Amino acid sequence: TQLLEQSPQFLSIQEGENLTVYCNSSSVFSSLQWYRQEPGEGPVLLVTVVTGGEVKKLKRLTFQFGDARKDSSLHITAAQPGDTGLYLCAGPTTSGTYKYIFGTGTRLKVLA
Amino acid sequence: DSGVTQTPKHLITATGQRVTLRCSPRSGDLSVYWYQQSLDQGLQFLIQYYNGEERAKGNILERFSAQQFPDLHSELNLSSLELGDSALYFCASSVSGSMNQPQHFGDGTRLSIL
Repeated sequence: TQLLEQSPQFLSIQEGENLTVYCNSSSVFSSLQWYRQEPGEGPVLLVTVVTGGEVKKLKRLTFQFGDARKDSSLHITAAQPGDTGLYLCAGPTTSGTYKYIFGTGTRLKVLA
Repeated sequence: DSGVTQTPKHLITATGQRVTLRCSPRSGDLSVYWYQQSLDQGLQFLIQYYNGEERAKGNILERFSAQQFPDLHSELNLSSLELGDSALYFCASSVSGSMNQPQHFGDGTRLSIL
């Protein structure tokens, strides 16, 4: 069974600090997506990474896909209160039952 | 606004009952996905439909069923409801049948079983 483990589970930081969220698996993924979810709303797609070693930037957010396509990271520079939310990595499985799985999630709180 | 519409937003019912959740995908999207989100299980993939046909099946209970209609809207039917079925149910849509394509989520239906 393919799993996506995220760390840390919870993160509370001050505005202006940098942080990194990790998404790890023992299995290869053809692509990984990162979403942010706010209370009472559905997840919103931030980025899709497809190629091993790929780096994508979205303003202050930098996403990286591991060379072996088994892991990914999300780095936020100079975090702002508006970055508060639940960050989820997700992707389609490549072995076993074909389905779409989400990571365990990282709940980020940025304090002003 | 993702363009995905889910109704109703909230649903309160009792154990043993049956409910139907409805999803209208974004214009032009052919795939519809259903997910269940609970505090202890996180976001769980239930099922995917593509252009009216079941494409992939996840952790969907036998008491649950779904379908996608010719106009591409989808319904998720939950029957013989149990307390543990209380959760947020999300629908998402994407352009094609590939799960590598971006998915756009609705705001969910919150189901409470009393």
